[in-house]
Amino acid sequence: NAGVTQTPKFRVLKTGQSMTLLCAQDMNHEYMYWYRQDPGMGLRLIHYSVGEGTTAKGEVPDGYNVSRLKKQNFLLGLESAAPSQTSVYFCASSKGRAGRMETQYFGPGTRLLVL
Amino acid sequence: AQKITQTQPGMFVQEKEAVTLDCTYDTSDPSYGLFWYKQPSSGEMIFLIYQGSYDQQNATEGRYSLNFQKARKSANLVISASQLGDSAMYFCAMSGLYNQGGKLIFGQGTELSVKP
Repeated sequence: NAGVTQTPKFRVLKTGQSMTLLCAQDMNHEYMYWYRQDPGMGLRLIHYSVGEGTTAKGEVPDGYNVSRLKKQNFLLGLESAAPSQTSVYFCASSKGRAGRMETQYFGPGTRLLVL
Repeated sequence: AQKITQTQPGMFVQEKEAVTLDCTYDTSDPSYGLFWYKQPSSGEMIFLIYQGSYDQQNATEGRYSLNFQKARKSANLVISASQLGDSAMYFCAMSGLYNQGGKLIFGQGTELSVKP
């Protein structure tokens, strides 16, 4: 099992450009998440999904969109990148059983630099 | 609303000694879970240990144990017999039964340096 994988590992964008970050998991997990990590801070939730075809906003959703067309994939899009979106992006997944606090397993992260 | 506070931005410990990393939390959820993750310099987030709010005993996983004091709303991570490979950022996080989607709230982290 590869667990949670993220593509790409590193990307440089110019202000205004768009891009999509791909997250894939092979653990048949129901829930998936996108976080960002800025220097000196913990992770903050951008968007999440509780199942195929569903998405919801997290703590810092502005400037991002997501899609979960397949259970194993969760895409994060930046339509018009801004320097404030320079960050490390982590994808995570969990089993997502109702009424249970489940451990989230993280991908290796994507480092994004917006110039 | 839920909140996690880690008051130690950085800590040093001598190799082979034990170290405690502090975590306090605030929540109105009647049932919640507390997690610790390790982030080495390579950047990945590694799950270490979990404590449920109704668990009768403190969680342990190898050299990691969680000192859970519910009345004081603290969930400190104890690492016994520190090793050089324990040098990393450590994050405390929590989720609650009423957190739709099992969302995690993270603290700001503690950077642990293990000295030889």
